[in-house]
Amino acid sequence: EAQVTQNPRYLITVTGKKLTVTCSQNMNHEYMSWYRQDPGLGLRQIYYSMNVEVTDKGDVPEGYKVSRKEKRNFPLILESPSPNQTSLYFCASSLSVPSGGNNEQFFGPGTRLTVL
Amino acid sequence: AQKVTQAQTEISVVEKEDVTLDCVYETRDTTYYLFWYKQPPSGELVFLIRRNSFDEQNEISGRYSWNFQKSTSSFNFTITASQVVDSAVYFCALSEGGDKIIFGKGTRLHILP
Repeated sequence: EAQVTQNPRYLITVTGKKLTVTCSQNMNHEYMSWYRQDPGLGLRQIYYSMNVEVTDKGDVPEGYKVSRKEKRNFPLILESPSPNQTSLYFCASSLSVPSGGNNEQFFGPGTRLTVL
Repeated sequence: AQKVTQAQTEISVVEKEDVTLDCVYETRDTTYYLFWYKQPPSGELVFLIRRNSFDEQNEISGRYSWNFQKSTSSFNFTITASQVVDSAVYFCALSEGGDKIIFGKGTRLHILP
């Protein structure tokens, strides 16, 4: 089944404790992206990746890191989480980059992160 | 800079009524894509439609229809004969020639039985 998977789905942690949210897609998609969703703010792009070893900042990258060592995986790393990073996080992928023709995104199920 | 405005934060209609969700965008590019996504109460995000800037044809898919008007920079979404299952948050999104995608803040739609 074609899908984007995220783990964990729920996470409660404490300020400063490094964490990684994994994202994996099995559709051989070029483009992957991370978003956070907050009430009243909609979806905001954190980081995106055009291909392996190619990543770039979205609109809200502060406090996050990513890597794209393999095409299928795009982990989101919070080196020192803070309470303002409490949010619902979505990973997404698409066959082509946003300017391409096959650019509809497929989303993972979301990860609800709480930082105390 | 690109921008997407969904001015309707929340809408409630009675089942079987028609409802239109507004989306207004800003872009300097002549080539761009517009999207609508649905987020039902279960939380997942579901792709509904993509439209490129060169295709101004309106589209109909069952009870859903989309009206793309470049003259007013709008890409509105209409649900005809709404049903309770249409209750969700709906997001409009824009991508230009670059690599980013900008989402609107979403419209929460309540369909009342």
